[in-house]
Amino acid sequence: DQQVKQNSPSLSVQEGRISILNCDYTNSMFDYFLWYKKYPAEGPTFLISISSIKDKNEDGRFTVFLNKSAKHLSLHIVPSQPGDSAVYFCAASKRMNYGGSQGNLIFGKGTKLSVKP
Amino acid sequence: KAGVTQTPRYLIKTRGQQVTLSCSPISGHRSVSWYQQTPGQGLQFLFEYFSETQRNKGNFPGRFSGRQFSNSRSEMNVSTLELGDSALYLCASRKDRGHPGELFFGEGSRLTVL
Repeated sequence: DQQVKQNSPSLSVQEGRISILNCDYTNSMFDYFLWYKKYPAEGPTFLISISSIKDKNEDGRFTVFLNKSAKHLSLHIVPSQPGDSAVYFCAASKRMNYGGSQGNLIFGKGTKLSVKP
Repeated sequence: KAGVTQTPRYLIKTRGQQVTLSCSPISGHRSVSWYQQTPGQGLQFLFEYFSETQRNKGNFPGRFSGRQFSNSRSEMNVSTLELGDSALYLCASRKDRGHPGELFFGEGSRLTVL
């Protein structure tokens, strides 16, 4: 059972426009949601996150929105740049019994973003 | 500051063999997690170690095992390799009191099983 879903395998956007990447989840116990970016031949890198008690978090060109009632989150990139072309993974974490943050993230399958000049 | 280092970067094995992959976390990070990335399944959690103790384990068969040493370096082992074990194996470390869920990944070890 896939708990984190990214239904769009790919997205193509023109440079300067907005990129919107979507993610759905099924488990109400998730307490943090994160976005990671991955370039070919590199490991994923952390991009931005949001706590389940918030509905928006912004960091420069990147904004993540969380809609808990719909169990949906989205990543907005404005304006999109060619260097943003990468695979974006949505991930969620669940607080464990021992408390604190944990290294057990549940990832979606990723969305490949292509930003065309 | 050096990042997460994984060795070897690439390896080819045949069915039935075993393989050991190594991971050196960022200095000062005591938590190490392992993930398997395949085209069909994305990134799937294997296990997490903290101070030489396995803290959590994903839904993988017992052929997948790991350990962590006193210097926080970690190894994972896959025995009796199957074709479906072909994947990119990613190691990640994190700060003790870092941002929740913020992992620092290595470049991965790409395993091909023939």
